[in-house]
Amino acid sequence: QKEVEQNSGPLSVPEGAIASLNCTYSDRGSQSFFWYRQYSGKSPELIMFIYSNGDKEDGRFTAQLNKASQYVSLLIRDSQPSDSATYLCAVGKTSYDKVIFGPGTSLSVIP
Amino acid sequence: DVKVTQSSRYLVKRTGEKVFLECVQDMDHENMFWYRQDPGLGLRLIYFSYDVKMKEKGDIPEGYSVSREKKERFSLILESASTNQTSMYLCASTSGGAGLGTEAFFGQGTRLTVV
Repeated sequence: QKEVEQNSGPLSVPEGAIASLNCTYSDRGSQSFFWYRQYSGKSPELIMFIYSNGDKEDGRFTAQLNKASQYVSLLIRDSQPSDSATYLCAVGKTSYDKVIFGPGTSLSVIP
Repeated sequence: DVKVTQSSRYLVKRTGEKVFLECVQDMDHENMFWYRQDPGLGLRLIYFSYDVKMKEKGDIPEGYSVSREKKERFSLILESASTNQTSMYLCASTSGGAGLGTEAFFGQGTRLTVV
């Protein structure tokens, strides 16, 4: 079992719709959870992080964490073509700030 | 503006060559990482370092070594390059935290092709 798994994708949504990206992780001791966005040919950049169970909202983005189910998700409301990218889920270990990345989900927002 | 800089954007090397990939960060971060990214496999951790002269193996260290002589610089070395090391290599750094993973800042990546 991989440590961090994501929807294989690609995921296509129409412009203005809600995009839902999912991630599960295997280590129950994980404490920090991150969503990175990576445009084609570019490096990953952080868009959200969450440490506590529940929802965290930042503009059009909402991260949801359920530690009991070992599940973290990212919702993108009012999706725009500029949101088309690969989204990487990353889970933080407690030692030396190492993070483990999932394989990523490719999102395409269709105008 | 935080910055992680990798020495080359593109590299082409021959099988058997010794290859050096350099990474420099200007944020005074304690932790530095080397990942490789391949289609369908995502980011995989090769090595990381949490202090000068310290190094720890990641998930796929075979065929690689690293050097961290100064806090700001972390080098990845391919002792004898092979075609299966053709990949995108990403360097990242994070600040030392209180046990929680922190935001990783990435370099622009080095696309290495071994022929």
